[in-house]
Amino acid sequence: DTAVSQTPKYLVTQMGNDKSIKCEQNLGHDTMYWYKQDSKKFLKIMFSYNNKELIINETVPNRFSPKSPDKAHLNLHINSLELGDSAVYFCASRGAGTRAFFGQGTRLTVV
Amino acid sequence: GENVEQHPSTLSVQEGDSAVIKCTYSDSASNYFPWYKQELGKRPQLIIDIRSNVGEKKDQRIAVTLNKTAKHFSLHITETQPEDSAVYFCAATLTGTSYGKLTFGQGTILTVHP
Repeated sequence: DTAVSQTPKYLVTQMGNDKSIKCEQNLGHDTMYWYKQDSKKFLKIMFSYNNKELIINETVPNRFSPKSPDKAHLNLHINSLELGDSAVYFCASRGAGTRAFFGQGTRLTVV
Repeated sequence: GENVEQHPSTLSVQEGDSAVIKCTYSDSASNYFPWYKQELGKRPQLIIDIRSNVGEKKDQRIAVTLNKTAKHFSLHITETQPEDSAVYFCAATLTGTSYGKLTFGQGTILTVHP
């Protein structure tokens, strides 16, 4: 069983569109994250949720809105996509005092 | 907040040589330091971690050292092999609470030449 799964794996869309990425973990972890990895490979944290509550919001534009319906799911909705949003987005989960597990990533390409 | 600096950004070695990647952190409260390996097109995966009550940890060809006073930690890979080629990330965080921010270094692209 995949511990952290996110869909879709690839997403190609036009500027101005709205899109969502879904993430689910079956590890029973309390905390989930969204990271953005740009072309320079840097893993930049975007959001962190703990038990469905937003804990970290790293000055991400309002066009990005995370939603956590329960502690096993953390989705990312992006409005009015821009060229600069093109990147790989990783979901991750973590329990207290343990390592983080990453999803397989979603490669978003805005054209 | 925590800031993690990682060097070098690229590292090229010959097969069989050793590779060392260094990281420094800013928040003295951080007590957990994982290292992740990311192969091309794949997700980051944990390869080794160390907690602040330990100075060194080894797992076969991989070792990590931690100097709490200087706030730096290093990854050592001995007898490198071509399959060690990947991007390596260090990270720092505070455990004891699950929602500690996991801050990554900038990454090191390691290339092992056969």
